[in-house]
Amino acid sequence: QQQVKQSPQSLIVQKGGISIINCAYENTAFDYFPWYQQFPGKGPALLIAIRPDVSEKKEGRFTISFNKSAKQFSLHIMDSQPGDSATYFCAATRTSGTYKYIFGTGTRLKVLA
Amino acid sequence: GAVVSQHPSWVICKSGTSVKIECRSLDFQATTMFWYRQFPKQSLMLMATSNEGSKATYEQGVEKDKFLINHASLTLSTLTVTSAHPEDSSFYICSALAGGVGDTQYFGPGTRLTVL
Repeated sequence: QQQVKQSPQSLIVQKGGISIINCAYENTAFDYFPWYQQFPGKGPALLIAIRPDVSEKKEGRFTISFNKSAKQFSLHIMDSQPGDSATYFCAATRTSGTYKYIFGTGTRLKVLA
Repeated sequence: GAVVSQHPSWVICKSGTSVKIECRSLDFQATTMFWYRQFPKQSLMLMATSNEGSKATYEQGVEKDKFLINHASLTLSTLTVTSAHPEDSSFYICSALAGGVGDTQYFGPGTRLTVL
């Protein structure tokens, strides 16, 4: 019940295209869902996060869509650029608890120039 | 804002020696810090959670005598890998949670440990 399933494992997108990464969770007590971007040899950097009281959040080219009933959330990267090539991790946590994050397995995105 | 630093960024040591890694929150006070280990092309594996002034809580399977964690102040946590062996070689990353401000973990840049 603590797992967060992330797909796809890898993704190749043409420059200017839309990259879509999906995550699904089981624990309905989770109430905070961040997405992180990680470049090789670097620590993860927060991209965008959402809470279950909204169905969508947009920040620049990055959008999170959240489906509470399906227990799924996804990251959309619009107008994908070669500089977006990185590994993306979704996570989930219960903010009333220990704040431990449950991470997805990661998606390696490559944007072709 | 919300910057977390780690030192050193990389370290090479001989088998049997101990290595200390520092994690600092530069512009906020971190009531809780987390230590992760990451193997190549894999997700982050939580090792332990540390709260300022109290003992760290280790995840199942993590040897607390091997990986000593100290959270001495609201801006500093240290991870000491004792009697390091080649299998301890990994990428170690810390994160910090701003107390009472939000729910986001801010990550450090990571430390690459290589044990010869």
